[in-house]
Order: sequence, then structure tokens, then C-alpha cells
Amino acid sequence: AQSVTQLDSQVPVFEEAPVELRCNYSSSVSVYLFWYVQYPNQGLQLLLKYLSGSTLVKSINGFEAEFNKSQTSFHLRKPSVHISDTAEYFCAVSDGSSYKLIFGSGTRLLVRP
Amino acid sequence: NAGVTQTPKFQVLKTGQSMTLQCAQDMNHEYMSWYRQDPGMGLRLIHYSVGAGITDQGEVPNGYNVSRSTTEDFPLRLLSAAPSQTSVYFCASSKLKGTGNTGELFFGEGSRLTVL
Repeated sequence: AQSVTQLDSQVPVFEEAPVELRCNYSSSVSVYLFWYVQYPNQGLQLLLKYLSGSTLVKSINGFEAEFNKSQTSFHLRKPSVHISDTAEYFCAVSDGSSYKLIFGSGTRLLVRP
Repeated sequence: NAGVTQTPKFQVLKTGQSMTLQCAQDMNHEYMSWYRQDPGMGLRLIHYSVGAGITDQGEVPNGYNVSRSTTEDFPLRLLSAAPSQTSVYFCASSKLKGTGNTGELFFGEGSRLTVL
């Protein structure tokens, strides 16, 4: 069965600093990878996704993630964070034959002024 | 668009009581699912459905029942609530793969359940 590991439960960072949130998944023949964001007291929203093609995918608000098949990773990065990026971020994976998304335990990004 | 609507948003139960969490979507999504979110554990899949009349178990199905009589609705039933079921519950839906979709889930705003 698929599994997802987010090793960092919380990442504190100062505003305008770069950040990387790590995600590793168990190997599979083909996978779809997702990053979701959850703001306080809200549901989850899709941030970006990898389906196929270019291994670097980007969101509209400056986040990007790179699919690395050899390292089974899908780390999320942003070169300069804002206070408004404070939220919990979840990495998720589904294999090509399953409708089910399996989520990691989440990383809380705390951006300080 | 309403998207995915969950009710109630908050509920307090006593041990042994039963209740139903409601979920409705207006996007004509075939796939619907229930997750529970607990601190440090992320989201865990409880039950899911790929269409009316079809349901299946996820990672943590014990203590929960579901049914799918219509495409729009996917209620989650707790027959005899236990304190271990204290959690935030999310309903999520999507189009099925093979119809141009990729498994992206659309989430409701959550239902916070406390069992005393």
C-alpha cells in the first residue's frame, strides 16, 4: 500500500526567507502527487499537482514542487514566504489504478515577521 | 457554486449515542469519501464510494457506516460513538479518473465531533 512521509511536523521561518517542506512516498510504478494547503478552520485546498510530464510544477502563489522518481520525493519550495503562507501543508499520493488519496501527517508552516 | 457541503459543523455526543454526518455535493462527482483528521496523523480515509450503490472501506472503517443512495449524498453514520472518534471529519469528492480527472479532491469545511 502507498504511504507518504512528511518528516517535519512544524517549520518556523521568517518572512521573505526561503522554505522547503519535505515529502517522500513509497515507490510505485506510477503515481500522482499532490500538495494541499489547509488554512485555520477550513477544509483542504489543492495547491499543486504532478501527473506526468515536466517534473517541476508550480502554483499561482509562488510555490513549486519537483517530482524526483529516483528519490521518491516531492518536496515543496518557495523562495520567499509571506505571513499569509502560514498554514498546514499536506502531501498526498495516489497510484495510477486507485481513486484513493493517501495523505502524509502534515507540516505546519509558521511564518514570523 | 456550493461545492461540498457538510453538516453539522460542530457536534458533541455522549458515549454510546448515534449520529449521522451529512455530506452533499453539487458537482456531479462520482467519487466521494470521508476522512478523519487527528493531530500528528494527517487525514485517514474512513470509507469511500465510486458511485450510487457502491461503497468500500478505507484505512480506518471500524465504528462507521456509509451508504450512497444518490450521486449527491454520502452520509457517515456513527452507530455507538466512542471517545476515540473525537476528531474533525472531512468529506471530499472528485470526478473519476478516465473521465478527464486526475483524482484531485474537493473538500468540505469539516465537521468537528467531540465524544464525551
